[in-house]
Amino acid sequence: SQTIHQWPATLVQPVGSPLSLECTVEGTSNPNLYWYRQAAGRGLQLLFYSVGIGQISSEVPQNLSASRPQDRQFILSSKKLLLSDSGFYLCAWVSGRSYGYTFGSGTRLTVV
Amino acid sequence: KNEVEQSPQNLTAQEGEFITINCSYSVGISALHWLQQHPGGGIVSLFMLSSGKKKHGRLIATINIQEKHSSLHITASHPRDSAVYICAVRTIQGAQKLVFGQGTRLTINP
Repeated sequence: SQTIHQWPATLVQPVGSPLSLECTVEGTSNPNLYWYRQAAGRGLQLLFYSVGIGQISSEVPQNLSASRPQDRQFILSSKKLLLSDSGFYLCAWVSGRSYGYTFGSGTRLTVV
Repeated sequence: KNEVEQSPQNLTAQEGEFITINCSYSVGISALHWLQQHPGGGIVSLFMLSSGKKKHGRLIATINIQEKHSSLHITASHPRDSAVYICAVRTIQGAQKLVFGQGTRLTINP
């Protein structure tokens, strides 16, 4: 079956510390992968997407970066977190065949 | 102006009432999604529409491509329906990206 794993579920990090959020999918190959963020009181916004290994597109300038080292692994990183990086981060993928959208369970990041 | 607009932003109703949430969009789309977000933050996909109407249990979603408008209806609403409902459109540009509405916070009182 097709599943998506995202971790950790919650994270509290001090300003200036690094960040690594990981997302992996199972049951599919060559999916489109996405990182979305929901800041407090705001809607979801696309941060990065990837259509293949090593292919990353950024939607908004920011303090974050993304990498796709394997077909079914998508990583969101930061070298130095800012307070404004706080929010709810969602990984998602799209199957090329069914075009269904599947979301991970999300990571709630609080930068203090 | 946002590319995807939802109304209302907040909706409170009594159990059993018929609920309608509206979504209008201004971009070309390949599909429209209705999503449900519970207080913990997790998001569940309710519907994906490219035309017409879909029904799942007490939930009905419709889309009018010409008018660039979609509605989500809940019949016989129940307190467990309380959640944020989000409209998102899949743009026709490459990579199947989603553009989200701001969400509608629905509260159903017993």
